Order: sequence, then structure tokens, then C-alpha cells
Amino acid sequence: AQKITQTQPGMFVQEKEAVTLDCTYDTSDPSYGLFWYKQPSSGEMIFLIYQGSYDQQNATEGRYSLNFQKARKSANLVISASQLGDSAMYFCAMREGGDYKLSFGAGTTVTVRA
Amino acid sequence: ETGVTQTPRHLVMGMTNKKSLKCEQHLGHNAMYWYKQSAKKPLELMFVYSLEERVENNSVPSRFSPECPNSSHLFLHLHTLQPEDSALYLCASSQEQGLAGGTGRGQETQYFGPGTRLLVL
Repeated sequence: AQKITQTQPGMFVQEKEAVTLDCTYDTSDPSYGLFWYKQPSSGEMIFLIYQGSYDQQNATEGRYSLNFQKARKSANLVISASQLGDSAMYFCAMREGGDYKLSFGAGTTVTVRA
Repeated sequence: ETGVTQTPRHLVMGMTNKKSLKCEQHLGHNAMYWYKQSAKKPLELMFVYSLEERVENNSVPSRFSPECPNSSHLFLHLHTLQPEDSALYLCASSQEQGLAGGTGRGQETQYFGPGTRLLVL
């Protein structure tokens, strides 16, 4: 069974606007971490933001925020005030407690238009 | 810029060649990983080293041979590869808090290098 589902293969957003990237996950482990990574065309996987399963508040990192809805098992990424440099592939990933493995979704390509 | 470097960035090799990918982390982490990213497939974990010992080997063919001589360096030795092995190979590192995959809370972030784009002809 797929652990991470990203249903949006591609999205377009106007510069300076906000965009929400969807991510749902599947686990029975009460301890887990959720991560978002950005992958530009150069290939490097850049860590953006982390949310722990026990965290009470939604994570924020600059223009990135994570909308964590535990009961719905969703961890959507919100990018505010989009910039041209935000154009990239975005991956949602999960790490279950005690496991080394990061399970990745299929990714969402974001294209920011001027 | 991250604290994980990979060389070479691009590699073209024939099926009979032997080559090695190198990864170095400057973050003082105690765990290192190899992932494979093929076109149209999610990233796949290949190998994990924690405290320089291999702790995971996810059914990877023996033509891929990892080596971790110390906590800062990780190699992936390649021999007699197939065209379907063409992919982006990403190295990552993390600081694990416990002995078996961390605290059990899934908190440890993995930081990735820029990857090596491998083409097997």
C-alpha cells in the first residue's frame, strides 16, 4: 500500500500568490515524522519543513507552512508569496518511528508564472 | 548549499565498466543513505549505514556494492550495470538519536546531496 499520496501532478501559480500542495499519508504507527522537500531541475533534494506526529501546532518555516490534520492524515504544504525560484518538484515524505526509511510520494511540479 | 556533497555529478558508463560514486557529509551525522530516483518512480531507499555499519539493504542487486569507511564518507561501487539502472542516485545523512533508527519518533531529518546522474549505455 502506498504510504504517501500526492494527487496533484502539476500546478501553476501566479507570482506573489499562495499555493497549497496536497499530501495524504497512511500509517498505523503513532510516532512518525512528515517532511517536505523541494527538488529543482538540478536534482538536489532540499529539505523545507518538518512536522512530528506529536506536535500540537502546525510547522512554519519562513514562507512555508504545513497544514497538519492528523485525523484526516493529511499534511498539506502552503507556500505563500510565490517566487519564480519556487518553480520545482515538491515531495512529501514520511518517516515512521524506529524506521530509517523515508517514504516519498510521487511529487507535485509547481510552475510559478510572472 | 548543503553539507552533503556527491561526486561525480554526472556519469556515463558502459555495462562492463566499474565505477564508484562518492558521498561526503560535513554535518557530523552518524547515519548515511543511498537512494535511487528513476523517472516516474518515487525515491527508493537502497542502503543505510548507521555508525558505519550497514543496517538496511533493500533487496538491491549485487551489482551495487556500498562501502562506508567512516561516518563522513559513503561510496557506491558499480559494476556490470544494466541500462535500467540509469537514474539519479542521491546520498543523504541524518543524526540518529538512538541505536535503532532513532528515538522512535521519526524526527530525524535526512539531508540530501545534489545527486549523481548516471547513464548506463
